[in-house]
Amino acid sequence: QQQVKQSPQSLIVQKGGISIINCAYENTAFDYFPWYQQFPGKGPALLIAIRPDVSEKKEGRFTISFNKSAKQFSLHIMDSQPGDSATYFCAASKGNTGKLIFGQGTTLQVKP
Amino acid sequence: NAGVMQNPRHLVRRRGQEARLRCSPMKGHSHVYWYRQLPEEGLKFMVYLQKENIIDESGMPKERFSAEFPKEGPSILRIQQVVRGDSAAYFCASSLNRDTVRGTEAFFGQGTRLTVV
Repeated sequence: QQQVKQSPQSLIVQKGGISIINCAYENTAFDYFPWYQQFPGKGPALLIAIRPDVSEKKEGRFTISFNKSAKQFSLHIMDSQPGDSATYFCAASKGNTGKLIFGQGTTLQVKP
Repeated sequence: NAGVMQNPRHLVRRRGQEARLRCSPMKGHSHVYWYRQLPEEGLKFMVYLQKENIIDESGMPKERFSAEFPKEGPSILRIQQVVRGDSAAYFCASSLNRDTVRGTEAFFGQGTRLTVV
């Protein structure tokens, strides 16, 4: 019940295209859903996060869509750039624990 | 404002030795979390500490692993009698408070890559 499942495992997108990464969770007590970006040899960095009281959040080229009834959320990267090539992790937590449950990660490659 | 500092960045230990990983949280942060990342896998929560207290150690292996966050100084993750399966990247994160719902971000360090030979 603590799992967060992420797909696809890897993704190749042409420059300018839309990258879409999906996550599903089981625990309805989760109330914070962040996405992290990780470059090789670096630590994860928070990209964007959402709470379940909204269905969508947009920051620049990055958008989270959240479907509470389906227990799914996704990251959309618009106008994908080669510099977006990285590993992306979704995560979830219960607000009063501060402990993040991560998905397995998606390796994104944006081709020039 | 320096970020989360972890050292060493790379650590090589022979089987049976001890590994000590250090983490200095961001200035003003009193909550520290340790995660382990195996190759080609996501991050797995290990332990959550506040100054001088272990809040949640549900992800820590029962033997050989311990963590502390003293009143003064960095948080330490200690692995005794290391085995090859301990080879992984260990990340530390810190936050201002424990309630991430309020938007308090967990900031990650660059990690310590432990190799057991």
